[in-house]
This record gives sequence, structure tokens and C-alpha cells, in this order.
Amino acid sequence: AQTVTQSQPEMSVQEAETVTLSCTYDTSESDYYLFWYKQPPSRQMILVIRQEAYKQQNATENRFSVNFQKAAKSFSLKISDSQLGDAAMYFCAYRVNTGTASKLTFGTGTRLQVTL
Amino acid sequence: GAVVSQHPSWVICKSGTSVKIECRSLDFQATTMFWYRQFPKQSLMLMATSNEGSKATYEQGVEKDKFLINHASLTLSTLTVTSAHPEDSSFYICSARIGRANYGYTFGSGTRLTVV
Repeated sequence: AQTVTQSQPEMSVQEAETVTLSCTYDTSESDYYLFWYKQPPSRQMILVIRQEAYKQQNATENRFSVNFQKAAKSFSLKISDSQLGDAAMYFCAYRVNTGTASKLTFGTGTRLQVTL
Repeated sequence: GAVVSQHPSWVICKSGTSVKIECRSLDFQATTMFWYRQFPKQSLMLMATSNEGSKATYEQGVEKDKFLINHASLTLSTLTVTSAHPEDSSFYICSARIGRANYGYTFGSGTRLTVV
């Protein structure tokens, strides 16, 4: 069974600084997708960034980037120039790339605090 | 963008009664919807996967007779919590896969259920 592990229950970063959230996963598949989702206090799940396992290049979305290490099964999220609005729960998620087994498996989450 | 509208956003019901939660895809057809349950400060746990026109697939440990899922059309999936008890109090979230491309998933805004 696939598992997703986020070893940091809570993280804190000062505004304008950079923070990295860790995620590791366990799978025997070679073709899969990885995601980072943000859940602010409103509890609405928001897609932050996604990475296809077959791509070697790390995904980036503005201030958000990932460090995808396929051999190590690691998928960390770097937030640059942190803003107060980045404060939220962040969930790492995995999905195997087969047509029927399209469900997401979530990690336990990391609560990010952004301080002034 | 692809939007899933979830209603109600919160509901309080008495023990023994049933509650229905609706999720509608507003601008796309959702052949598959996922229902999650989230306890406070915890991750999303997949309850079931519903496919339009067929029976839902429930995750291990989820009571099919308690959590009835109906996906009668390409734009509507419902979760009915039958004979609700206080331990069913939780945050329920629906999600739909966005098309065939792996752009991720879009989530409803969630329903907070309190059973008294």
C-alpha cells in the first residue's frame, strides 16, 4: 500500500523568508503524480503544485517549488518570500497513474505559521 | 476553473436522524467523485469513490449502510449519513478529478456535521 509521510507537524517562518516542508512516500509504482495542497482556516483545499514522476525537472509555481528526488522518494515543498496568507495546513498527496485507481493518498499534514 | 459546490456548509442534526450532503460540479462533468472525512487537526481520510451510474466503492472500515453515496448524474453526487450518532460528527469533503488530464483534483468547500 502507498503511504505518504510528513514528519513535520508544525513549521514556522518569518514573513519574506523561505521555508521547506518535507514529504516522503512509499510506493512500488514507477508512474505516479505528487501534489501539495494547502488548507487555510476556511478548510477549502487548494492545489499548490503538482509533479509528474516521469519528469526530472522540478515543478515551480511562482513562489512555490518542489525538490523531487525519485530515488529517495522525497518530495519537499519550498515556499520563498513567505507571506501571511501562506499560513495554512499543507498536505502532500500521491496518486498512482492508472485509470481506475485514481484516488489521492494524503500525508498527515504540516501546519505552517507565518510570523511578522 | 473547475468548481465543485458543496452544500450545506454546516449542519446540526439530532441523533438518529439522517443528513444529506450534496456536491455539484458546476462547469464540468464529474464522472468520479471522492468523499473524504476529516477529524480536527487530522488529514483527509478517503471514505468512498463514487462513479456516475454505478455503485460506490467504499474504503475498508467504512460502513456502506451508514454512509450512502449516490452519483446519479455527471454533475451531482450525494452522501447521506443515516441514523447519525455523535461519533459521526466530522468535516466531510467531496472532490472530483478534473477531466482526463492529471491536473489534480478540485474540492468542495466541505460540510461540518454536528450530531447532538
